[in-house]
Order: sequence, then C-alpha cells, then structure tokens
Amino acid sequence: NAGVMQNPRHLVRRRGQEARLRCSPMKGHSHVYWYRQLPEEGLKFMVYLQKENIIDESGMPKERFSAEFPKEGPSILRIQQVVRGDSAAYFCASSPRVSGRGGETQYFGPGTRLLVL
Amino acid sequence: GNSVTQMEGPVTLSEEAFLTINCTYTATGYPSLFWYVQYPGEGLQLLLKATKADDKGSNKGFEATYRKETTSFHLEKGSVQVSDSAVYFCALYSGAGSYQLTFGKGTKLSVIP
Repeated sequence: NAGVMQNPRHLVRRRGQEARLRCSPMKGHSHVYWYRQLPEEGLKFMVYLQKENIIDESGMPKERFSAEFPKEGPSILRIQQVVRGDSAAYFCASSPRVSGRGGETQYFGPGTRLLVL
Repeated sequence: GNSVTQMEGPVTLSEEAFLTINCTYTATGYPSLFWYVQYPGEGLQLLLKATKADDKGSNKGFEATYRKETTSFHLEKGSVQVSDSAVYFCALYSGAGSYQLTFGKGTKLSVIP
C-alpha cells in the first residue's frame, strides 16, 4: 500500500512565479491536510480538505494561497506570485476519517521543498 | 488555544545512553498525543501515539505515557543508537471541531558512536 505521495520533491521558483504542489493521499484516505515547515520550526497547519470541499482553511494566508482536492486526481496547493518568505517545506498528510474524540492518525508525505529565488 | 512545548535541542548523546525528550501541552478538551520523527531530508513518520490518560505508546524501543495530571507526554528510550539521530516532534490532536495537528518546534537528537 503506497504511502502519501507528493511531487515535486524540490521546486525552485523566481519571485512572482506560481508554485503548484501536488499530493496524492494514501489509498482509501479521503481527508487531506497541508502543513508548512519553516526552517528550524515545527509544522504549522494550513488547510484541511475532503473531496471537492475545503473544511478548514484557518491556517492559510489570506492572499496568494489556495488549495483544492478535486473529485479525481491529487490535491493541489497553489501559491501565486511567490515571495522569498514562501520558501519552506510543504507537507501533505492524509487520514481515512476524522473521529469525534481522539482524532485519527495523519500520515505524512515526504514533502515539497520550495525555494524562491 | 492549543499548544505544545518541547525541550529545546539539540541533544547529543553517546550510543546506548538513556534518552528523555520532554513534552508538555495545553489543549481544550481531551486530546490525542503523538510523537513523530523526521530523518534528514524526509517527511514525518509516526513514531507512537496515545489517545487517553495513562495510555502508553511504544514503538522501536521508544515509549511515552499520556499524563493528564501533568499535561505531559515525555519520550523515552533506554538505549539510543546512531540510527536514532533525527528530529523528534511532539504533537496533539484535540478534535472537537479542530482537525489539525498542533506541533512542538521539534528536538534534534544526535547520537555519536
């Protein structure tokens, strides 16, 4: 059973360009989460999606960032007009469900390391 | 709001030494607690978890006990190996309408032969 897949693993963009990060959840998982890790920091939640729905985007910057999880295909995190401060590692996680108490374990992909020049 | 505080690193130990990485938390409700490990250049791997008070999570010789009275989830291993060198993250999941994991800043462990 393949794990969470992310691509590309490394992405270099110049300021002002667009970055598109892809995430394919584990087989059977319908819940996707995106996190950002800045250098020497822990992971910060960005957004939680189910198929065709954004459930919680409380951690997303208000501008330039968007996410989707279409009915078919991977989840996409899009960053428009990138700036140097967007340089970070972006991790996707998936889970099969969300239980009421206690939560459901999230399984992480290898991450996409974005460098903005 | 929710928060996780881990002991600051880096931590350097000799092989076969005893490891403790402290983790305390603040959360609404009754959270689940996790330890994740990140090897250089890789993503996070779940190391162990506990979902209720006094539960002990264990894996690969690592252990952590969910202590509600002290709001702690300290990670321990009796005898570390060079291959344990990594960054360790403590995290909580509170549920109750919040679906995100809240992470500590991570503790870098280096084990020397």
